[in-house]
Amino acid sequence: GENVEQHPSTLSVQEGDSAVIKCTYSDSASNYFPWYKQELGKRPQLIIDIRSNVGEKKDQRIAVTLNKTAKHFSLHITETQPEDSAVYFCAASSGQAGTALIFGKGTTLSVSS
Amino acid sequence: GAVVSQHPSWVICKSGTSVKIECRSLDFQATTMFWYRQFPKQSLMLMATSNEGSKATYEQGVEKDKFLINHASLTLSTLTVTSAHPEDSSFYICSAGRFEWGTEAFFGQGTRLTVV
Repeated sequence: GENVEQHPSTLSVQEGDSAVIKCTYSDSASNYFPWYKQELGKRPQLIIDIRSNVGEKKDQRIAVTLNKTAKHFSLHITETQPEDSAVYFCAASSGQAGTALIFGKGTTLSVSS
Repeated sequence: GAVVSQHPSWVICKSGTSVKIECRSLDFQATTMFWYRQFPKQSLMLMATSNEGSKATYEQGVEKDKFLINHASLTLSTLTVTSAHPEDSSFYICSAGRFEWGTEAFFGQGTRLTVV
């Protein structure tokens, strides 16, 4: 089955800096890669996703890149703000109907002002 | 996005009792529902997948007789933790989607279960 590795487990940055979180996956059949932000005690919130037919996607300060050959994808947050502090999870799936997302172990991002 | 509601948000139960958690899709019919468990400061671990018209498929290591999943209708799935023990204390989250959406699914708000 799919296995998703995520690094780093913790990341501390100064406000205004950029943050990068990286994930690798094992199943070459995976073609859907979402990123979630989770605040303590709350549900994960989808912040951006990418499918295997594109290499990069951007939404304001957030971007995701995908390298299918190397089987890795990354989340980039620019101009970080204190409210970006949360736990971020990457996930992967084959995209087939009825199959679940497999999550990475998460990255705790702390943005200090 | 679609709305998924989970109930209760938190529950405390005594060791040895059973507790039921509900997951409802409020504005769509969910052909697939997933149940995840999340221990403190850990990731979401898939427990089981429930597709319309078939029994739940449990992940390896998840006891199907302890974690009973019922996809009662296209808008409701329930997870019953039977004979709960303190080690079952966790955050349980469901997600729901439709076949034609592929794996895009929407999360409930989660249920914090504490077994004392």
